[in-house]
Amino acid sequence: GAGVSQSPSNKVTEKGKDVELRCDPISGHTALYWYRQSLGQGLEFLIYFQGNSAPDKSGLPSDRFSAERTGGSVSTLTIQRTQQEDSAVYLCASSLGGGRRNTIYFGEGSWLTVV
Amino acid sequence: ELKVEQNPLFLSMQEGKNYTIYCNYSTTSDRLYWYRQDPGKSLESLFVLLSNGAVKQEGRLMASLDTKARLSTLHITAAVHDLSATYFCAVDGYSGGGADGLTFGKGTHLIIQP
Repeated sequence: GAGVSQSPSNKVTEKGKDVELRCDPISGHTALYWYRQSLGQGLEFLIYFQGNSAPDKSGLPSDRFSAERTGGSVSTLTIQRTQQEDSAVYLCASSLGGGRRNTIYFGEGSWLTVV
Repeated sequence: ELKVEQNPLFLSMQEGKNYTIYCNYSTTSDRLYWYRQDPGKSLESLFVLLSNGAVKQEGRLMASLDTKARLSTLHITAAVHDLSATYFCAVDGYSGGGADGLTFGKGTHLIIQP
């Protein structure tokens, strides 16, 4: 079945630790997005990958955040030296192409709590 | 800066009633999206509106887009309890200036009482 798959679904980490969040997009989808959803900020765009093009990183909130997409498929979002304000749900999404006429499908999210 | 405003943010209504959620945005765009989110769940795509005057309907929900007014509406007809959820609208282009992400409204938390 194949929707957008994210792991872990829940992660509790200590402040200052690094975390990695993984996203498996829908097979065949070339566009991949990361969003963050938190009570205070709502839904925020983080980063966008389209095929082999350079990613649009303009939504990343600080240099502690980075993301990779290997082989045009799986993506990893890394947060270094986590802070309490990083606590949020991190949502990955994918679509068939980057033309924005396509439906964007979201995963179930990775719930991150920094204590 | 792109802004997307939804209203109302909270809505409690009775089954069988009709209501409309409004989504205003601050930039020219001819692409607008509506999503539904149930508690603890991810976002489910409802409608993709791609041109001025676009109207789409699915069951008791109907969405429309007026790009000149920069306004989209989500109309609920004869509401039923199962439609209780949070509804988000989103527009192309994120507030930092890039055009690759969606900018979301804050969501409308809808409760439909039997």
